[in-house]
Amino acid sequence: DADVTQTPRNRITKTGKRIMLECSQTKGHDRMYWYRQDPGLGLRLIYYSFDVKDINKGEISDGYSVSRQAQAKFSLSLESAIPNQTALYFCATSDFRQSGELFFGEGSRLTVL
Amino acid sequence: GQSLEQPSEVTAVEGAIVQINCTYQTSGFYGLSWYQQHDGGAPTFLSYNALDGLEETGRFSSFLSRSDSYGYLLLQELQMKDSASYFCAPKSNTGKLIFGQGTTLQVKP
Repeated sequence: DADVTQTPRNRITKTGKRIMLECSQTKGHDRMYWYRQDPGLGLRLIYYSFDVKDINKGEISDGYSVSRQAQAKFSLSLESAIPNQTALYFCATSDFRQSGELFFGEGSRLTVL
Repeated sequence: GQSLEQPSEVTAVEGAIVQINCTYQTSGFYGLSWYQQHDGGAPTFLSYNALDGLEETGRFSSFLSRSDSYGYLLLQELQMKDSASYFCAPKSNTGKLIFGQGTTLQVKP
């Protein structure tokens, strides 16, 4: 089983719908991240969390919200999806002792029509 | 503010050596990471430099010069499987990593 699991892996939805992407990890890491990847734009940080009570905005948080339900779970929500949120979304984790190393999930491909 | 520059594409032949440069401007810079991503896959960690100098991990090495806000990834004895995108990712003292747009490396026979 993967250490960082994202669900769903693929999702097609319509403009205006609410979507939740979920991430769970078995690595015991305290830090979790959500990134978005678009062709030619690399990975952009949406939100990150260093523990259950800590939530921080990244580079592109507008239109997104997150919830850290437990140390192992970090979900990303799009309250009202729009087509330009069509992208590949990655969840990642890290341990504060492992500088610079993120462990990524397999990604969730979201298409908003 | 923050900025990050790396070449968009690099092409090399099998067995050759290639260097992918990265220049950054990062508030509260803490260290520089490198990641590899194959098409359709998740990024995977390659190396991290917190101090100036060269870090070697097998065929891959990474260099950092904090005074120049510059680093590079060196790939030796290139193999076809090294064809992928490579990202530099400065880490700030807030703990977050910001990724560049990535360099697509194409290895030719």
